[in-house]
Amino acid sequence: GESVGLHLPTLSVQEGDNSIINCAYSNSASDYFIWYKQESGKGPQFIIDIRSNMDKRQGQRVTVLLNKTVKHLSLQIAATQPGDSAVYFCAETPGGNTPLVFGKGTRLSVIA
Amino acid sequence: DTEVTQTPKHLVMGMTNKKSLKCEQHMGHRAMYWYKQKAKKPPELMFVYSYEKLSINESVPSRFSPECPNSSLLNLHLHALQPEDSALYLCASSLRQEVSTGELFFGEGSRLTVL
Repeated sequence: GESVGLHLPTLSVQEGDNSIINCAYSNSASDYFIWYKQESGKGPQFIIDIRSNMDKRQGQRVTVLLNKTVKHLSLQIAATQPGDSAVYFCAETPGGNTPLVFGKGTRLSVIA
Repeated sequence: DTEVTQTPKHLVMGMTNKKSLKCEQHMGHRAMYWYKQKAKKPPELMFVYSYEKLSINESVPSRFSPECPNSSLLNLHLHALQPEDSALYLCASSLRQEVSTGELFFGEGSRLTVL
């Protein structure tokens, strides 16, 4: 299930199930989006990106969906594995030299 | 080589100390960044260097002083820090400051504790 409160939102999934991590972005002018994975004690690691002229992009076991109408981004992970346990951040930029702004993050916990 | 290397990995300092964090990349990237990350929070941008010139300073207190000696190196000089400055300091680089032209690569971070 998913819990939101004073702590980092957490999504718990069974190993082998699919995971969906959601992100509501703030800037309607944003046209480039990235999902990052951050494992404990490490720096953020690029997973997948998408530009605003697309609504879906697929990578290896991951899919990013973009709904510009409601300013919503999601990351789908197929056949979730214990190694997918981490905090996932979405990041957005309106482009040009404007830096990325990171969303709040979601902790994914995979139950073996 | 697709790495951003940060040293030291851990640093403990007193409020009167002067220390520096170092970052190095050899990917030919011309934009380099310092981010600060508190526990359970997203990274927050501090500084951006583009072609070795300071491009963005996100109103960071002057006790943090960045330096970009050349296109491969980025330093963050620390002086008279406060305990609330304790955090993970992340360095990142990208091909150019226009991030959408390529990935933003992060280092593993330097965990700073101010006593």
